Amino acid sequence: GAGVSQSPSNKVTEKGKDVELRCDPISGHTALYWYRQSLGQGLEFLIYFQGNSAPDKSGLPSDRFSAERTGGSVSTLTIQRTQQEDSAVYLCASSFGTGANNSPLHFGNGTRLTVT
Amino acid sequence: SQKIEQNSEALNIQEGKTATLTCNYTNYSPAYLQWYRQDPGRGPVFLLLIRENEKEKRKERLKVTFDTTLKQSLFHITASQPADSATYLCALSIYNQGGKLIFGQGTELSVKP
Repeated sequence: GAGVSQSPSNKVTEKGKDVELRCDPISGHTALYWYRQSLGQGLEFLIYFQGNSAPDKSGLPSDRFSAERTGGSVSTLTIQRTQQEDSAVYLCASSFGTGANNSPLHFGNGTRLTVT
Repeated sequence: SQKIEQNSEALNIQEGKTATLTCNYTNYSPAYLQWYRQDPGRGPVFLLLIRENEKEKRKERLKVTFDTTLKQSLFHITASQPADSATYLCALSIYNQGGKLIFGQGTELSVKP
């Protein structure tokens, strides 16, 4: 079976432009996570979807960042008016349950975003 | 403030030795602690999970310990091999914070032949 798929794998954009990053989770996984990883750093939590519950948006760094998950499956992370400090690898993960319920996360290979 | 800390310096060891990586946390009450491996250009891959009421968990050459008094987890790789070279991340699942996992910054391990 396919794992978590992210697209594009690389994205170069000009400062001020909007970008959309896509995540296709593993079929049947109810939880979906977005993390950001800057060069040489750990994973910074951004947002978490669990089933039909309201998402946990507590990690979004500013109101330029938003995410949605349509039909409980595909998710899109949108960054408006990109800034150079947004440059990072954006990782998506899905799990059958939640981290609190003993379910490991399955990660995609990320989208490397470069803002010039 | 809440923190998860892993050895920031890379760990270099000789093939065949045991690698020990540390994960310390402050001001968290974790329900579970997980360890992941990350190779360059790839997403993290799950290795092991240990619950707060477990002291130790093993899987093949891997062993994880969890001391909630010391607020520390140790991750051991015995009989290390060059193929074990990667960055290892610990992650906490926190009570009362739904299902999100909070990650440490990772420790890079290099196993020399």
